[in-house]
Amino acid sequence: SQQGEEDPQALSIQEGENATMNCSYKTSINNLQWYRQNSGRGLVHLILIRSNEREKHSGRLRVTLDTSKKSSSLLITASRAADTASYFCATDAVSNFGNEKLTFGTGTRLTIIP
Amino acid sequence: GAVVSQHPSWVICKSGTSVKIECRSLDFQATTMFWYRQFPKQSLMLMATSNEGSKATYEQGVEKDKFLINHASLTLSTLTVTSAHPEDSSFYICSARDFEGKRGGTGELFFGEGSRLTVL
Repeated sequence: SQQGEEDPQALSIQEGENATMNCSYKTSINNLQWYRQNSGRGLVHLILIRSNEREKHSGRLRVTLDTSKKSSSLLITASRAADTASYFCATDAVSNFGNEKLTFGTGTRLTIIP
Repeated sequence: GAVVSQHPSWVICKSGTSVKIECRSLDFQATTMFWYRQFPKQSLMLMATSNEGSKATYEQGVEKDKFLINHASLTLSTLTVTSAHPEDSSFYICSARDFEGKRGGTGELFFGEGSRLTVL
């Protein structure tokens, strides 16, 4: 079953604006990650936030994590046309075996209008 | 450059044939690799966990006799779609964790570029 649900499913904004995507999950996690996928391509890791962290930055990316609400958000500031892609959150389930597998959310398709 | 390589990137085959997709970790050893399936405009669904030297662990609803996984070495896992049918047409993506490699051994998960299978 899908661990993560993302909203919105699709988002179109003007270049230069900020884009915010949200992800909710259901079970306890070790960490939450955000990935980007260009159409027909593999996934690119963007950022990882651990369960004991609340906010993390990387360049134009800002990720927040609220474990009490089981939710995360990804903010892309000053969007560019090249940011057009699908964005997925992925959760790493709590496990003692060291080979935790990721469960992906439903994804947000982001379109940046030049 | 890519740290996980998938081959082929796309393949078209006739119904009833078998197709093998390779996933290689290029500069690290991966005792565990993961195979995902993605339908158009949908999320990635984990199919199975490939374990080096042992049997793969399949997710519920995934036919192990249909999707054969072999992880014979620390850098190679293969997924074979047997007797492929049009409904098997999909985008297959593998990933591998780097626990001990040159890239810091942080356990980061690296993804291949995916393999698009079209069954006629």
